[in-house]
Amino acid sequence: GESVGLHLPTLSVQEGDNSIINCAYSNSASDYFIWYKQESGKGPQFIIDIRSNMDKRQGQRVTVLLNKTVKHLSLQIAATQPGDSAVYFCAESYGSSNTGKLIFGQGTTLQVKP
Amino acid sequence: GAGVSQSPSNKVTEKGKDVELRCDPISGHTALYWYRQSLGQGLEFLIYFQGNSAPDKSGLPSDRFSAERTGGSVSTLTIQRTQQEDSAVYLCASSLTRQVNSPLHFGNGTRLTVT
Repeated sequence: GESVGLHLPTLSVQEGDNSIINCAYSNSASDYFIWYKQESGKGPQFIIDIRSNMDKRQGQRVTVLLNKTVKHLSLQIAATQPGDSAVYFCAESYGSSNTGKLIFGQGTTLQVKP
Repeated sequence: GAGVSQSPSNKVTEKGKDVELRCDPISGHTALYWYRQSLGQGLEFLIYFQGNSAPDKSGLPSDRFSAERTGGSVSTLTIQRTQQEDSAVYLCASSLTRQVNSPLHFGNGTRLTVT
């Protein structure tokens, strides 16, 4: 399943399928991007990050893709599991001196159907 | 190890009262951030502390909001004369440094409800 980020806040996928969560970021000067997962009642949890000098980075079951030309970021989750159900936020920052001062997107809710 | 700890987890207050929210960052983390998350929204940056440097207060929404970080560790966020629009989840995060490859570690937040 695939979302278009801000314009489709909920993505529903079948367990075992791959998920793609999209995000359109705002600032062409942004040079650091990060994905967070937030479960109900908890704070956001770091998933994966990427610098602007890269266009792809892989983690465990997750891949982040960055397209600077169209200011687009995506998070791919392989073999989605029920435990992946959460809200996913993309965030950006610019100026490598402080990558904790982040601008967050509105979030996409991922629902995994068993 | 212990993560970022915030207290209280929930706070209900009457309009016009002052509230204090507390954050205990991860030991050894030099950078500390406060964010606010309104219902169904993304996170909004409020304030940032790094070591002994002057804090970056550029995200504070009004002069009713202030924060301190004592001894480079514990931080308190104070909201004076609370308003209903202050109702939100206030999240604290810390990182080892403010540089790249030092992602934020968030606490579970304080849910503030102003009645």
